Amino acid sequence: NAGVTQTPKFQVLKTGQSMTLQCAQDMNHEYMSWYRQDPGMGLRLIHYSVGAGITDQGEVPNGYNVSRSTTEDFPLRLLSAAPSQTSVYFCASSKGTASNEKLFFGSGTQLSVL
Amino acid sequence: EDQVTQSPEALRLQEGESSSLNCSYTVSGLRGLFWYRQDPGKGPEFLFTLYSAGEEKEKERLKATLTKKESFLHITAPKPEDSATYLCAVRTGANSKLTFGKGITLSVRP
Repeated sequence: NAGVTQTPKFQVLKTGQSMTLQCAQDMNHEYMSWYRQDPGMGLRLIHYSVGAGITDQGEVPNGYNVSRSTTEDFPLRLLSAAPSQTSVYFCASSKGTASNEKLFFGSGTQLSVL
Repeated sequence: EDQVTQSPEALRLQEGESSSLNCSYTVSGLRGLFWYRQDPGKGPEFLFTLYSAGEEKEKERLKATLTKKESFLHITAPKPEDSATYLCAVRTGANSKLTFGKGITLSVRP
């Protein structure tokens, strides 16, 4: 059982380039989300989805787009990369949105924007 | 705005030296408090969920407790393999959004 799979593990971009971070889960989870983790700061929510076709903004959505065409996949798009987007990105999923639902995290994508 | 504060930022212990990690929170309508463990270069891994004041959960050398304002993660007789960053998060509101603290980096020396 793979769980939550993120690709790539590492990426270097130049300012202004665009790219997509991939996230897939094989647990049939309805809820999926993207976080970024920066030194000295907690995990911050970028975007989330409560089901296929439904997405919403989190705490720090600017500069990122998401879509959810299938239950399994939740890609994160950087439209025009900026150095401020240098971070480690985590995708996480849970079965639902009930109080007791725990998040399962991927192993992360380390992104550097030069 | 929901706030989660973890202290201390870092903690160094000798193997066998018990201690506690603190997570204080200010939220409206707590639906759950979560503890995660994160190893370097990996994603957070779920440890515990607590829902109401007075609740306790245990797993091996770890015990999590909850009051109306804070949670403690007690580590009894830690081993070097307990070295990691421990994250606290709170769930509020109708959706599944979690608000995380900055984490506590624990180092256990042999």
